Order: sequence, then C-alpha cells, then structure tokens
Amino acid sequence: RKEVEQDPGPFNVPEGATVAFNCTYSNSASQSFFWYRQDCRKEPKLLMSVYSSGNEDGRFTAQLNRASQYISLLIRDSKLSDSATYLCVVRSSGSARQLTFGSGTQLTVLP
Amino acid sequence: EAQVTQNPRYLITVTGKKLTVTCSQNMNHEYMSWYRQDPGLGLRQIYYSMNVEVTDKGDVPEGYKVSRKEKRNFPLILESPSPNQTSLYFCASSRTSGGATNTGELFFGEGSRLTVL
Repeated sequence: RKEVEQDPGPFNVPEGATVAFNCTYSNSASQSFFWYRQDCRKEPKLLMSVYSSGNEDGRFTAQLNRASQYISLLIRDSKLSDSATYLCVVRSSGSARQLTFGSGTQLTVLP
Repeated sequence: EAQVTQNPRYLITVTGKKLTVTCSQNMNHEYMSWYRQDPGLGLRQIYYSMNVEVTDKGDVPEGYKVSRKEKRNFPLILESPSPNQTSLYFCASSRTSGGATNTGELFFGEGSRLTVL
C-alpha cells in the first residue's frame, strides 16, 4: 500500500464548478500535511498547508481528518487557470526526509 | 530573485556515460534534496542533505551519488546511467526550522529531463 494515495483523475470540470480531491495516508504518525500544485511540465509549488482545524485560502479549502487519515482539497468557482495536477504531501515526525508525495490528481477546467 | 537552478534542463545520453546534474540555490537554505518523477509513481526522493557535508539516502538512491561541499550546490551524479534512470529530476531546497525538520515548503528547480538510451 502506498504511503500517500490519491485518485489520479483526470477530473474534467466546467468553469465555475466546485471540485474536491481526497488523499489518504497510511502512517498514523504523520504530523504535517500540504497541497502542492504542479502545472504541466513545470516544477511543483506549495499551494497551502493543511491545519488540523481546516483552513481556507480564497477559493481553496483544505481539511484534515486524522481519525480516517485523509486530507481534502476543495476548489470553489473553478477557473481555467486552476488546471493543474494537485499533489498531496505528508510529513511524518522526526527526520526531515519524510516528506512523502502522492502521485497527484489531474484537474482540467473546461470553458 | 530567489531560485533553484538546475542544469542541464534536457539531456539525452547513452548507457554507462557518467553525467552530473547540477543544482544551485541562492536562498541560503540548509536543506536540499533530489527527486525523480515518473508517471504513476509521483515524486520519489533520491538523496537529501541537511547541511554542508551531511547527506543521506532517500527512497530510491541506487545508481546515484551526491555531494554537498558548499551550501548552495548539491549536484546529482549518475556514475553509469542506465535506461531505468530515464526520468524527470527535480532538485529542491528549504530552510530548516526547529532542528531537524523543514517547514514543508520546498522550493523546486525547473526540472531536468534525462533520457538514457
């Protein structure tokens, strides 16, 4: 079983739609959680951290469910520019190397 | 401008011909790391470095070497490349905080697409 699992998609949604991605992690000792965004053929970039109480950044909402070991990302009012691959990233306690990336969920927002 | 610079960006080589992918960051970051990205497998860590002269293996270190003689540079060396090392490679850096852990925000280079024939 992969440490971090995501539905690869692709998710094809119309502009203005609300879309949600889930990500599950297997290590219950995981401490920190993040969503990264990767545009086609580009490097990943941090989108947002995920806090225990959930957090929002504009149209983006991230939530964490420790009991079920999953995190989610909700995008409201999708824009064409949201088209990208979204990577779920989990960090366990201790060693700095334990940043584990999911394989990503591909989103295409259609006009 | 704060950045992580990798070179070359694209390379086609043949089996067994040693090559080095350079990585340099100008943010004075302690932590640097190399990843490879393959379809369906996501980003997998090859090696990382907590600081100068401190390096450690990631999840897929076989066939790779690294060195960290200076804080800003973290080259990736393929002594004898093989076709299964054909991949997209990313170097990344971050500052460390609170001891051994980083903040979770990694700054990535633009990637180096390597093809080994």
